[in-house]
Amino acid sequence: GAVVSQHPSWVICKSGTSVKIECRSLDFQATTMFWYRQFPKQSLMLMATSNEGSKATYEQGVEKDKFLINHASLTLSTLTVTSAHPEDSSFYICSASRGVGTGGSYEQYFGPGTRLTVT
Amino acid sequence: QKEVEQNSGPLSVPEGAIASLNCTYSDRGSQSFFWYRQYSGKSPELIMSIYSNGDKEDGRFTAQLNKASQYVSLLIRDSQPSDSATYLCAVSYNQGGKLIFGQGTELSVKP
Repeated sequence: GAVVSQHPSWVICKSGTSVKIECRSLDFQATTMFWYRQFPKQSLMLMATSNEGSKATYEQGVEKDKFLINHASLTLSTLTVTSAHPEDSSFYICSASRGVGTGGSYEQYFGPGTRLTVT
Repeated sequence: QKEVEQNSGPLSVPEGAIASLNCTYSDRGSQSFFWYRQYSGKSPELIMSIYSNGDKEDGRFTAQLNKASQYVSLLIRDSQPSDSATYLCAVSYNQGGKLIFGQGTELSVKP
């Protein structure tokens, strides 16, 4: 169990266009999902926390008007990169939080990632 | 500022040996602790979670948590070349909340 999917797995787009990435929890409901980006040889960088039915919480320095996040249901969150530029080229990874046991603990499971290249 | 520290490595061990990965964290309010494995070009994969002091074993992996000393470790027994990856230590300060990651330790298991 605890499978998270992302679509597409890779995308190439022209500068100035927008790209939407979907993140789905396939076998559990996720009240909270997270969006990360990772540049080569660097650590994961959390971009935003997405809660179902409410506005996303963005990390400092992340432009909320450029990276639009919608968490429309308990199994789907989307990230839209608007007016993409070459510097937005990166590996975008989502994760979903799942409750474990009865003690209120949670585990976070990652999707396979989406590699975005902006030309 | 909440911090999670790991040795960046690379840590090199021979096949069949025990690999020991360590992680320290700064905030005593930390509640949940995780180890992820990330292969080059792939996303992180959860391999262990631990919430209370002591040891937790799962196959060849053992996680150890010591809240008094604010460290968490991961032991990999009978290391295999396929274990070669970057291991990320992550800490959560509230249930279901965001994770704070260490910078990762690169492990290389030599045949």
